[in-house]
Amino acid sequence: QVQLVQSGAEVKKPGASVKVSCKASGYTFTSYDINWVRQATGQGLEWMGWMNPNSGNTGYAQKFQGRVTMTRNTSISTAYMELSSLRSEDTAVYYCARGQGDFWSGYYPDYWGQGTLVTVSS
Amino acid sequence: SYELTQPPSVSVSPGQTARITCSGDALPKKYAYWYQQKSGQAPVLVIYEDSKRPSGIPERFSGSSSGTMATLTISGAQVEDEADYYCYSTDSSGNHRAPCVFGTGTKVTVL
Repeated sequence: QVQLVQSGAEVKKPGASVKVSCKASGYTFTSYDINWVRQATGQGLEWMGWMNPNSGNTGYAQKFQGRVTMTRNTSISTAYMELSSLRSEDTAVYYCARGQGDFWSGYYPDYWGQGTLVTVSS
Repeated sequence: SYELTQPPSVSVSPGQTARITCSGDALPKKYAYWYQQKSGQAPVLVIYEDSKRPSGIPERFSGSSSGTMATLTISGAQVEDEADYYCYSTDSSGNHRAPCVFGTGTKVTVL
């Protein structure tokens, strides 16, 4: 069965960076994109971007351009999301999710990781 | 930037029908998808491509889309359906690098 297992909770100071991992199993890692979505406490879901594990190509939401980097290590079927210049507003649960389909005919996250809480506090 | 608008809350009595709407300018051209998120859990896909139901999702969940509005219907709502629901879709403006967006979310209360 498809599983996405994320790394544990992080506490960071303002201005620092955080790197969250997402290990995939139960399917061919390089055949599907990995998306990243975050959710601040009591708030809605916010899509951050996607990465193609086969090519390494990425696409980031405009809000995160310049601060987010999505990468992968295909040898261990693991995707990473690094967010830099952290501020208190970045405190949220960060989810990875497998991307299904394509942007022209229909594209959506189907399977989700369990989420990683990132707390930014001085 | 592209936006999908949902009502903040919907209340329904057990056994009755709940309808959640999602409004977006690109919906005539793009599919809508719906996610259920219970407190403290990751989202779960309940409807894809406007009206299709993934395996394991109860038949009481259905979806439709017409013009700029998509609708998620819960027929015969159960107490366990109490959750936040989010629509999701993609932009049709030509932003092929980062076109994805979630709706504002709707809290469904069953009481």
